[in-house]
Amino acid sequence: DAGVIQSPRHEVTEMGQEVTLRCKPISGHDYLFWYRQTMMRGLELLIYFNNNVPIDDSGMPEDRFSAKMPNASFSTLKIQPSEPRDSAVYFCASSPSPQSRGYTFGSGTRLTVV
Amino acid sequence: KNQVEQSPQSLIILEGKNCTLQCNYTVSPFSNLRWYKQDTGRGPVSLTIMTFSENTKSNGRYTATLDADTKQSSLHITASQLSDSASYICVVTGSSNTGKLIFGQGTTLQVKP
Repeated sequence: DAGVIQSPRHEVTEMGQEVTLRCKPISGHDYLFWYRQTMMRGLELLIYFNNNVPIDDSGMPEDRFSAKMPNASFSTLKIQPSEPRDSAVYFCASSPSPQSRGYTFGSGTRLTVV
Repeated sequence: KNQVEQSPQSLIILEGKNCTLQCNYTVSPFSNLRWYKQDTGRGPVSLTIMTFSENTKSNGRYTATLDADTKQSSLHITASQLSDSASYICVVTGSSNTGKLIFGQGTTLQVKP
């Protein structure tokens, strides 16, 4: 099992540009989560999906952020337009259920907006 | 408000020594508590997970304890190794099936030779 796969590992972009982060969850996991990690705020849940349907997006900071899950094996987190304060590490995680021991994180995408 | 507080914020120990990290939480109702290890530049990796009825769980040199009455947990690392240098994050899940994990800010451990 390759685990949760995120791409790219690193992204540097200019302020105002669109950024798309990608995630492939573990096969058979019905839940997919997007997190953001910063030194100041630690890990924050942005949004999560169950069976490809967004369940809770209350953590999405503002309308510049959007997430989609077109099928069970792929999700994207898009920031448009990007701002320097969006610089952080973005993690995707997947799990068979919210309480599962199988809750697994990807290696993250380090985003730098200059 | 549901919160998870960890202490100390950072810790430096010598290789071979033991250490204990603390986690206090106010999450209620409670479902389970996890300890994650996060190496620099990597995603968090689960070390242990404990439900309400479990008060200790081991994973190699890592032993987690849970006191659900006082809402406290600890992670004990025995005979530390240089590879134990990482952030250790305490994560609590409430019993509602919302999928939300509540994260502590983490303890940064540095093991020196």
